[in-house]
Amino acid sequence: GNSVTQMEGPVTLSEEAFLTINCTYTATGYPSLFWYVQYPGEGLQLLLKATKADDKGSNKGFEATYRKETTSFHLEKGSVQVSDSAVYFCALSDNNDMRFGAGTRLTVKP
Amino acid sequence: GAGVSQSPRYKVAKRGQDVALRCDPISGHVSLFWYQQALGQGPEFLTYFQNEAQLDKSGLPSDRFFAERPEGSVSTLKIQRTQQEDSAVYLCASSLMGEVNQPQHFGDGTRLSIL
Repeated sequence: GNSVTQMEGPVTLSEEAFLTINCTYTATGYPSLFWYVQYPGEGLQLLLKATKADDKGSNKGFEATYRKETTSFHLEKGSVQVSDSAVYFCALSDNNDMRFGAGTRLTVKP
Repeated sequence: GAGVSQSPRYKVAKRGQDVALRCDPISGHVSLFWYQQALGQGPEFLTYFQNEAQLDKSGLPSDRFFAERPEGSVSTLKIQRTQQEDSAVYLCASSLMGEVNQPQHFGDGTRLSIL
């Protein structure tokens, strides 16, 4: 079946550091890929998405590229801020069957 | 508000009691999803509605779990004879109809604690 595996956390970075959170997927079809973010005490919010191979999703300085050859959708940001501290979830949706990774907790220190 | 609304935000129940969790999706959203999120884990799919039709309930863990959406808008997730392993955050999400694999919009969840 379809599944998502993402980098285990927690991840702790200093402000302005470069961020990478790895995500790989297994799917039988042609899924759409998503990154969701969950800030403390809040629900999941869509951060970015990509619907087909080689698409790049981007939002708030975060980027991820849909790589079919490596079945990956790694999240990157060039310079993190304290306000980026949250839990990040990689997800795929295949015919409305959505699967999430376990989440990666990011803490950014000033 | 414009987002997905869930109530109650927190629910504490004794083992064996029945509970009902409510979800108000974004107005006009045809698809509605329920997820269970255990501590430190990602959301796990429970069930999916398109309008009032429950198209997939393969994720419901037992026959104690029941979901309905009788008028194609508000949905209720009911858990009968609750057990301690039912303690989790229950998330509701909605999305527009049309293309499949639309982004889902999540509520803040209901944190259920079974004593």
